[in-house]
Amino acid sequence: IQMTQSPSSLSASIGDKVTVTCRASQSIGRDLSWYQHRPGTAPKLLIYGASTLKAGVPSRFNGSGSGTDFTLTISALRPEDSATYFCLQGYSNLLTFGGGTKLEIK
Amino acid sequence: HLKESGPGLVKPLETLSLTCSVSNGSISTDNHFWGWIRQPPGKELEWIGNIYSDGRPYYNPALKSRVTLSVDTSKNEFSLTLNSVTAADTAVYFCARRHMMPGSYDFLDQWGQGTLVTVSS
Repeated sequence: IQMTQSPSSLSASIGDKVTVTCRASQSIGRDLSWYQHRPGTAPKLLIYGASTLKAGVPSRFNGSGSGTDFTLTISALRPEDSATYFCLQGYSNLLTFGGGTKLEIK
Repeated sequence: HLKESGPGLVKPLETLSLTCSVSNGSISTDNHFWGWIRQPPGKELEWIGNIYSDGRPYYNPALKSRVTLSVDTSKNEFSLTLNSVTAADTAVYFCARRHMMPGSYDFLDQWGQGTLVTVSS
């Protein structure tokens, strides 16, 4: 299953809202998770099951979608949101990832 | 909670070996598999495979002929070996815990910070 993520990069200001999308090459139900990765650190799980926020993740992060199209929305951007975000499909035993979106906070 | 260790430089055609130490919890937990992911410079993440605490592995078919995963429950760690490496195997290698439960969603809930392995003579 191929995961196509867009955009590959974006720049936004503090307080803005941004949206990242992932599209699966076939239906994956809601078996989609989102991660935040800052360089040199361990990637962090944000959302699983397309929309379930992991405990402790701020409610500014929101996931939606099902089937083949999914979105991650980050509201009220903060400086610490600067990172790469990527999606992962868990529908297939062979996990596959989106290409990543590098978010720059201006 | 997870930390990768191993050589940062491997010669072409030799074997890459990495270990992931699991702290703050037992490797023998239900519904969790232990896996490896890699990311070559400038490229996408690639799932290598995972293993259960009883030693059952699952490998990415693209790498299956060269990969072996193992687990040592007494040390609370699991390992990756990749044979006959080439420059294309140069990547940051991550270990991670895979949450897999029948009827539930499948995701990676814990990751190591990754370790860069360079294949070069």
